[in-house]
Amino acid sequence: GAVVSQHPSRVICKSGTSVKIECRSLDFQATTMFWYRQFPKQSLMLMATSNEGSKATYEQGVEKDKFLINHASLTLSTLTVTSAHPEDSSFYICSARSGGGPGYEQYFGPGTRLTVT
Amino acid sequence: AQSVTQLGSHVSVSEGALVLLRCNYSSSVPPYLFWYVQYPNQGLQLLLKYTSAATLVKGINGFEAEFKKSETSFHLTKPSAHMSDAAEYFCAVSELRDDKIIFGKGTRLHILP
Repeated sequence: GAVVSQHPSRVICKSGTSVKIECRSLDFQATTMFWYRQFPKQSLMLMATSNEGSKATYEQGVEKDKFLINHASLTLSTLTVTSAHPEDSSFYICSARSGGGPGYEQYFGPGTRLTVT
Repeated sequence: AQSVTQLGSHVSVSEGALVLLRCNYSSSVPPYLFWYVQYPNQGLQLLLKYTSAATLVKGINGFEAEFKKSETSFHLTKPSAHMSDAAEYFCAVSELRDDKIIFGKGTRLHILP
């Protein structure tokens, strides 16, 4: 089956610094990638949708200047949390889809645990 | 706007017993419906999906779900629970025009020995 990887799996950073999370589709080309945020014991909240070569579409309430998303190739998308603060601590999950529309399966990465101290 | 309601944040069943996880959806157009499973500190794995074909959908690990339009439901079942089924389960909905998946709050399934 299709595999999506995320790196790093865990990261601890100091308040005010920036951290980059990578999402890679290992064996397929992902025309669309999604970034989710999951708080403890809660559901996934979609942050943004990115299509290769285009600017990401952010969900309402998500600060685009704080959460920078780059989808530079068909196999790589990055999420950069800029000037991180403790409230940004969360589990970030990406997913990738090979085709257009929800009928195409989204394949999820294993997630990245971000802790801001 | 589309939404998903999962009834029961925690469900406990005995090993070997029937598993029933409830999901109701709201959508203004025929939806796509999904069930995902998440093990601790891992991403999501698709169990099954409904995309307007057969109303009874069979998935992996012995799970199945039935789409009932009249009840706006998409409940997940498994005839006999196994200890390895203990996990968090998410029901999700998507509309073709919307191009994104909306997740329910999740149901944690506990399997009792």
